[in-house]
Parts: sequence; structure tokens; C-alpha cells
Amino acid sequence: DADVTQTPRNRITKTGKRIMLECSQTKGHDRMYWYRQDPGLGLRLIYYSFDVKDINKGEISDGYSVSRQAQAKFSLSLESAIPNQTALYFCATSERGWYGYTFGSGTRLTVV
Amino acid sequence: DQQVKQNSPSLSVQEGRISILNCDYTNSMFDYFLWYKKYPAEGPTFLISISSIKDKNEDGRFTVFLNKSAKHLSLHIVPSQPGDSAVYFCAASGGFGNEKLTFGTGTRLTIIP
Repeated sequence: DADVTQTPRNRITKTGKRIMLECSQTKGHDRMYWYRQDPGLGLRLIYYSFDVKDINKGEISDGYSVSRQAQAKFSLSLESAIPNQTALYFCATSERGWYGYTFGSGTRLTVV
Repeated sequence: DQQVKQNSPSLSVQEGRISILNCDYTNSMFDYFLWYKKYPAEGPTFLISISSIKDKNEDGRFTVFLNKSAKHLSLHIVPSQPGDSAVYFCAASGGFGNEKLTFGTGTRLTIIP
């Protein structure tokens, strides 16, 4: 099993729909993150959580929400999807930020 | 405001030669710098890191150099191999109290056989 599992791998949804991306990890780390990747923009931080009771906004949190259901689970929701949220989404976990993250394989989301 | 910049979107290098990927940053509070490698349809994977108290770190074919006065780091790959073809991201962290990583825009490296 992968250390960080993201579901679904691919998703096409319509504008205005609510959608949830799920992430689970087996590393036993407290820290979890959601990033999105866009061509020419690199990886940008959406939300992060340093433990189950700690949720923080990243640089592009508008239009997104998260839920940390357990140490191992961190979900990202798009409340009302819009086309410019079409992107590749990555979940990651770390022991400490500078020790490096372990990423999931990503979810490719298309909003039509 | 892009705090971590990779000004070369792409780079092509002959197999066996040296690949040099560059990264600039603007935030002087960054203490740790990392390089990640990403293949298509996979998540980024950690490659090598350096802390601000060092100016060089080596791991096999990979060496990262840090020039704090210029706010510049580079990744050297010697010799380059076809399996090194990937997108490379540099990232920076502020250490305790500011641990999240800020990523650059990425450089696509292509190794020509």
C-alpha cells in the first residue's frame, strides 16, 4: 500500500457541484497538506494541518474547505466547483517540513 | 508574489553531461531548501535538501549548492541519465514555527540519449 493514498485519481465534475477529495496516510505523521499544481505556477498550498485540532489556510484557500477526520485522514472539499479549479491536486504528509514531504499520486480534477 | 522562482521552465541536456537547475528565493527567513523530482502521473518525491548553515550537500550524483548572499540555490546532476528526465521543483521552509514548504514553478529536465 502507498504511504499516502488519494481518491479519486481522476474526476470530472460540473460547475456548481460540491466535490470532496480524500487523502489518507500510513506514515503516522501529524502534519498534512493540500496543494494544487497548475502549469507555470508550480505547487501552491491550499490548506495545512499540524494535528487533528489544527487547521490553517494556505495561500489559495478561497473556494475550498478541509476536514481532518483523524491523524491519518485529511479531506479537501470544493463547495461549489468552478472551471478555474481545474488542476492537479496533491496531498502530502510530513514529520517536519524540512525533513521533506511524502506526496500522494494526485487527483486530476476537471470542472466543466 | 512568488517567493521561490525557477526561471527556466525547461532544460535539455545530453546524457552523461552535467545538468544544472537553478532556483532563486526572496524571503530571507527561509532556513531549509529542498529539491523534489516529479514524473508524470506521480506525486513529487524528495531528492535532496540543504540547511542555511551549509553551502553544499552531496548525495551520489546529486549536489545542491546554496549561496545565501545571492539567495540562490542550484542542483547539479552528474552524470545525467535518461531516468533523470522529470520536472524538478525547488522548495523552501522557514524552520520551526514556519515549517510549511513554498515551492517554485518547476523546471522540466529532458536528458537526450
